[in-house]
Amino acid sequence: GQNIDQPTEMTATEGAIVQINCTYQTSGFNGLFWYQQHAGEAPTFLSYNVLDGLEEKGRFSSFLSRSKGYSYLLLKELQMKDSASYLCAAMDSNYQLIWGAGTKLIIKP
Amino acid sequence: DGGITQSPKYLFRKEGQNVTLSCEQNLNHDAMYWYRQDPGQGLRLIYYSQIVNDFQKGDIAEGYSVSREKKESFPLTVTSAQKNPTAFYLCASKGDGSSDEQFFGPGTRLTVL
Repeated sequence: GQNIDQPTEMTATEGAIVQINCTYQTSGFNGLFWYQQHAGEAPTFLSYNVLDGLEEKGRFSSFLSRSKGYSYLLLKELQMKDSASYLCAAMDSNYQLIWGAGTKLIIKP
Repeated sequence: DGGITQSPKYLFRKEGQNVTLSCEQNLNHDAMYWYRQDPGQGLRLIYYSQIVNDFQKGDIAEGYSVSREKKESFPLTVTSAQKNPTAFYLCASKGDGSSDEQFFGPGTRLTVL
């Protein structure tokens, strides 16, 4: 079956760095997406990886290893506004997204 | 500005009533999606449409129906056959490229009393 695993909740300190991991098993693979979702709001797009390696975009970076079925989202210089859920989604061979349950990130001062 | 709108933001219905959730986009996207989000679970696909007048069932289509008569609109009806309809419903649209992200509307929180 198809499956996405990511931690349920993480806590970090303002100004620090946090890494949110995601492992996936899908029928075929056409890329890995990360979204941010604040409570009660719509998910917003953060990153897309289809090739192995690190993609950097400001304070956020995303890494992919296709051979390991593994991705992570790295958030640097954490700010209070980064408190949100982070959703990992893998695109399968039919170009449909398989979603993880999300990681709730709590930022403490 | 281009985007996706969903209305209403909050909706209350009595058990046994059908209810229709609105989703409109002006992004000129062909593909549109309906998801359901429950606490502690990932987004689950209800229905999707890749072109006008065509739509496909997702993983949890039972108790739901959709139509796609216009490119801009993809309404979702939650019928009385849906056994547990209380949830947060998200509509999304996507461009034609495989790497294009899905854009989400603000969501409708449906509560069935």
